[in-house]
Amino acid sequence: GAGVSQSPSNKVTEKGKDVELRCDPISGHTALYWYRQSLGQGLEFLIYFQGNSAPDKSGLPSDRFSAERTGGSVSTLTIQRTQQEDSAVYLCASSGGGRGTEAFFGQGTRLTVV
Amino acid sequence: AQKVTQAQTEISVVEKEDVTLDCVYETRDTTYYLFWYKQPPSGELVFLIRRNSFDEQNEISGRYSWNFQKSTSSFNFTITASQVVDSAVYFCALILYNQGGKLIFGQGTELSVKP
Repeated sequence: GAGVSQSPSNKVTEKGKDVELRCDPISGHTALYWYRQSLGQGLEFLIYFQGNSAPDKSGLPSDRFSAERTGGSVSTLTIQRTQQEDSAVYLCASSGGGRGTEAFFGQGTRLTVV
Repeated sequence: AQKVTQAQTEISVVEKEDVTLDCVYETRDTTYYLFWYKQPPSGELVFLIRRNSFDEQNEISGRYSWNFQKSTSSFNFTITASQVVDSAVYFCALILYNQGGKLIFGQGTELSVKP
């Protein structure tokens, strides 16, 4: 597609359940990012994939969070044993991968943990 | 430590007024990139501009202009003759040269333009 696509748009889950969020980046973009946006914390970096390099996971808040990127394209962010504090909008972005290149964002997945 | 500060949490103006959104950044790196993004009510972050640390030229794009001053570590954004469609949250962000594409965001400024 023309832009970054994320699914689902909204997800409501019960505390303790696992969730998977999907991101389909812009075709040809080698870099993919996950960010989290919440009222108290603003926009936080979570994880970054660049080509075949090991991902930068420095922003993942706990070991309940993980992400993978298959075939250098689609990415899945998994949150295990969800907690209420995980409620947020999860934003995915992709870029051409050059240093300081602008990133293009999807519309996000709004996760609500009840 | 790296940081981006947008001191204005909310700004409200009347249509056709000019408005400036402030952004101050902190880094000891000499090579970095600065960005502004717009987040309308739909939620998607829209890229507006990118500057690298070696290019202090100001830029104008239609009603938008940006003033980059390394001496004050500021990268301010001005909207001239604001319109209702400019209502959004605006984020200033920083990427360090050796940090891949990781964006360090400010807290955002919510701009409300009233008719």
